[in-house]
Amino acid sequence: KAGVTQTPRYLIKTRGQQVTLSCSPISGHRSVSWYQQTPGQGLQFLFEYFSETQRNKGNFPGRFSGRQFSNSRSEMNVSTLELGDSALYLCASSLAGGLSYNEQFFGPGTRLTVL
Amino acid sequence: GQQLNQSPQSMFIQEGEDVSMNCTSSSIFNTWLWYKQDPGEGPVLLIALYKAGELTSNGRLTAQFGITRKDSFLNISASIPSDVGIYFCAGPPGSGTYKYIFGTGTRLKVLA
Repeated sequence: KAGVTQTPRYLIKTRGQQVTLSCSPISGHRSVSWYQQTPGQGLQFLFEYFSETQRNKGNFPGRFSGRQFSNSRSEMNVSTLELGDSALYLCASSLAGGLSYNEQFFGPGTRLTVL
Repeated sequence: GQQLNQSPQSMFIQEGEDVSMNCTSSSIFNTWLWYKQDPGEGPVLLIALYKAGELTSNGRLTAQFGITRKDSFLNISASIPSDVGIYFCAGPPGSGTYKYIFGTGTRLKVLA
């Protein structure tokens, strides 16, 4: 069974631009979560989607948004990029349905560099 | 905000030694997950714990769900060079949330 895939793996943008990152979950997984990882802040939760609905959101500005499609694939978008948005963006998928806590499996991440 | 504190922050050990690390929270967790991350890669799930007091093994790795539900422990026996990496604890605090919190990480370096 294929793991979580993320595209692109590396991205370089300049301040003020916007970016869209893509995540394909493990087949059969319906929950997708996004995280930002930086050396200073560690792994920070961005948002989680299940059945095309955002169920939880972390403490990030509105420039960070996401969506999930009917096939469970997810995208996240960052508008008006800032230097501080440079990070490894990780996507994780899980079976999670209802209120059960299931293991999250991570993709390799997208390394975003903002110049 | 919510934080998971891991200790030690980093450690150097000799190959063959056993390693212990822990994770503590100010609030109750119903699930504890332990991950390992290699440079430039996403975290890989090592062990999942669901019940207070639970002890679970995965090869040379053993993790325990603390009875207070506010801590968890990970032990690695007979460490080998490929154990190098950063180990994270994580979980959803309380119940009814899908917002996972990650620990600050323990960086492990193994000296051959």
